[in-house]
Amino acid sequence: DVKVTQSSRYLVKRTGEKVFLECVQDMDHENMFWYRQDPGLGLRLIYFSYDVKMKEKGDIPEGYSVSREKKERFSLILESASTNQTSMYLCASSLTGAGPGNEQFFGPGTRLTVL
Amino acid sequence: DQQVKQNSPSLSVQEGRISILNCDYTNSMFDYFLWYKKYPAEGPTFLISISSIKDKNEDGRFTVFLNKSAKHLSLHIVPSQPGDSAVYFCAASGLWGAGSYQLTFGKGTKLSVIP
Repeated sequence: DVKVTQSSRYLVKRTGEKVFLECVQDMDHENMFWYRQDPGLGLRLIYFSYDVKMKEKGDIPEGYSVSREKKERFSLILESASTNQTSMYLCASSLTGAGPGNEQFFGPGTRLTVL
Repeated sequence: DQQVKQNSPSLSVQEGRISILNCDYTNSMFDYFLWYKKYPAEGPTFLISISSIKDKNEDGRFTVFLNKSAKHLSLHIVPSQPGDSAVYFCAASGLWGAGSYQLTFGKGTKLSVIP
């Protein structure tokens, strides 16, 4: 079974803090993704990576950055946390990009609260 | 502009009856469609998918129908069980920006199956 793990289930940070969210997958997947989920807005893509050291912006990259130094690990960074970044953050990975086989496997999520 | 729409935020169904969740899309270049199920405080899990060259895919109690001319797909759950109560996300796969394939998610439909 594919396993995607996220470093924290719940996190509370203060406005202006630098926040790191870590994600690790164990199935040698090429692609990794960061989403945030908010009520009424569904899943919105923040950033994704299709290879080590490669990254692409998603729908809502503002206020975030990412790092992928190793294939299995994809980090989301909030350079200066703000209250509007309070959300559920979901990491996902997939083997390929196109068609059958590009099902994304999700981690359990990190509920981040910024005070 | 929302490319994948789930127009019903919620749906209530009696146990044993059929649940029908609907999804519409606008981008005719989408070539693969997926349904995910999400319980509270967990990441979404892949449920079922369909290629654009097919009009139906069945897996146990779950069937997905695709009507390409109407740009519409639906998920049928028969018979519905209380454990099916969750948020269901429709997703579509297509080319993104620099040539990689990504998923675009709808906002989700919360299904409640009443015992």
